[in-house]
Amino acid sequence: AQSVAQPEDQVNVAEGNPLTVKCTYSVSGNPYLFWYVQYPNRGLQFLLKYITGDNLVKGSYGFEAEFNKSQTSFHLKKPSALVSDSALYFCAVRDPTDRGSTLGRLYFGRGTQLTVWP
Amino acid sequence: GAGVSQSPRYKVTKRGQDVALRCDPISGHVSLYWYRQALGQGPEFLTYFNYEAQQDKSGLPNDRFSAERPEGSISTLTIQRTEQRDSAMYRCASSLSREGWADTQYFGPGTRLTVL
Repeated sequence: AQSVAQPEDQVNVAEGNPLTVKCTYSVSGNPYLFWYVQYPNRGLQFLLKYITGDNLVKGSYGFEAEFNKSQTSFHLKKPSALVSDSALYFCAVRDPTDRGSTLGRLYFGRGTQLTVWP
Repeated sequence: GAGVSQSPRYKVTKRGQDVALRCDPISGHVSLYWYRQALGQGPEFLTYFNYEAQQDKSGLPNDRFSAERPEGSISTLTIQRTEQRDSAMYRCASSLSREGWADTQYFGPGTRLTVL
């Protein structure tokens, strides 16, 4: 069964410090992995995705994520956090071995609240 | 261009009433998805469409929930005889292509449904 785990409900980091938001996944095939961010009273915004190729993926707002197949992880990172990065972050996975009716689904983690303090 | 839009943004209704939630996808996007997000949880898949055809409705919780996309554009999620447990954020997303497993799903702002 497909699943995503975000082991930390909250991550707190000082502005200017590097940040990491963790994500691990479980799918039967090679995964497609996504990160979304949710700001208060706004929809989910796409940050980046891994489909194939280079394990280090760069996305919006200076974020990047590293795909690690052996550890089944896709951690979100940023070298220098900003106060404006404070938001709720969701990791999601799509299993391309799904066939037929189920291939459209994204499976989301529970989210990690990132707080960057000045 | 315009993103995914949803209406209403907020809906408060009494238990037992029917509600209809609307989603207007990004122009030209073939696939449309509905998710439900409870407080403190990630979005959970409900159903999705390619053009007007409903491809997967196995995520719908029960037969009070239904969705349609009659002309392959705007979609409506209908909940009949609402119950308090239906209270949640309902999110709609669209993606460009029918077989684009790698396609990004772009989300609308959501409809916050509260059932009293």
